Amino acid sequence: ILNVEQSPQSLHVQEGDSTNFTCSFPSSNFYALHWYRWETAKSPEALFVMTLNGDEKKKGRISATLNTKEGYSYLYIKGSQPEDSATYLCASYQGDSSYKLIFGSGTRLLVRP
Amino acid sequence: KAGVTQTPRYLIKTRGQQVTLSCSPISGHRSVSWYQQTPGQGLQFLFEYFSETQRNKGNFPGRFSGRQFSNSRSEMNVSTLELGDSALYLCASSSGLAGANEQFFGPGTRLTVL
Repeated sequence: ILNVEQSPQSLHVQEGDSTNFTCSFPSSNFYALHWYRWETAKSPEALFVMTLNGDEKKKGRISATLNTKEGYSYLYIKGSQPEDSATYLCASYQGDSSYKLIFGSGTRLLVRP
Repeated sequence: KAGVTQTPRYLIKTRGQQVTLSCSPISGHRSVSWYQQTPGQGLQFLFEYFSETQRNKGNFPGRFSGRQFSNSRSEMNVSTLELGDSALYLCASSSGLAGANEQFFGPGTRLTVL
């Protein structure tokens, strides 16, 4: 069974704080790691897709790193804003006989003004 | 460019009935994946279609099936509905295989089984 774990489950921060979340995945048969942002009443929106060990990607104030050897990825938000409030999902594309995109349960971020 | 569309947006069925959900991907996208989200669960992968072929399937019973047409539109069918099938069903499209490419999600179909 392939499990993708995210921590923390939820996070409350003050506007301006920087924060980070963790996504853990099995390191075997790994192909790619996805990050999505899911705002309430909207559809999940892709942030990053990463494949290489040591990969770092950045989009505005949000960045992500990937360690495929130890099976984890970090998502960082610098200077959180209220509009960053959302659930952040990671998903690992991996498998044995067939590859699947397996989602974690998400980290719910609330940024207080 | 139009986004991913799903119809219907809301559906109420009773146990034992069957249901068909539809997903139209972004123009040019050949991959369509389906996911189920139930309260307290993350997104659970149902299946992925690419160029009319099912590429992968998640751990769901055979009551869940799908297909993809030559225009890349996809349908998902659930037969003999159970109460536990009540969920938000999301489809997502991507230009290549879902795992290697970012996915664009539709608004979802909220299915309620009574």
